[in-house]
Amino acid sequence: DTAVSQTPKYLVTQMGNDKSIKCEQNLGHDTMYWYKQDSKKFLKIMFSYNNKELIINETVPNRFSPKSPDKAHLNLHINSLELGDSAVYFCASSQDRGRDGYTFGSGTRLTVV
Amino acid sequence: DAKTTQPNSMESNEEEPVHLPCNHSTISGTDYIHWYRQLPSQGPEYVIHGLTSNVNNRMASLAIAEDRKSSTLILHRATLRDAAVYYCILRSGGSNYKLTFGKGTLLTVNP
Repeated sequence: DTAVSQTPKYLVTQMGNDKSIKCEQNLGHDTMYWYKQDSKKFLKIMFSYNNKELIINETVPNRFSPKSPDKAHLNLHINSLELGDSAVYFCASSQDRGRDGYTFGSGTRLTVV
Repeated sequence: DAKTTQPNSMESNEEEPVHLPCNHSTISGTDYIHWYRQLPSQGPEYVIHGLTSNVNNRMASLAIAEDRKSSTLILHRATLRDAAVYYCILRSGGSNYKLTFGKGTLLTVNP
């Protein structure tokens, strides 16, 4: 029943490792997003895909690479993890550029040690 | 994105109405006013949005000033489950896909 689901919910890893976070939505939305919420609780957009096409690519280190195999999935791969990457990452989706609202997942808490 | 200003925090008592204000004096004619909330340890949740007219849904009401430079989110009877950070966001009606979050208002509901 979950509309936007992310896996894993928690991820603890060492510096230098490569990890992926997966996101799937079953709402039939055409646009998906990745947001990052840091320790100060600010939510910042990272990427957005519309029908598998990258449309937003904020100032994010190129160690972060989104991949959208189809419009229901948007994964986030992070290379060479650093301590500063520790945050909660939220996936979201919307239809028609989000005019009627965005639906967020419950987040993935990434801790880099 | 046009900026919004909200109080850092507000308190309410359970079962009383709550009025959460938001100022957006630089709003443009095509900007929609969106409200989201984030409960502890959860993702943001859509609450309501509007353009010019007041809006009601099962969660809340949105009152928009006639000049659109401010709006108020109204929770008619606060419950403990309504304790959250509430974000007022202006979303362009154009091709902008982004939702830009500010600091929001932390609402505490007292039993």
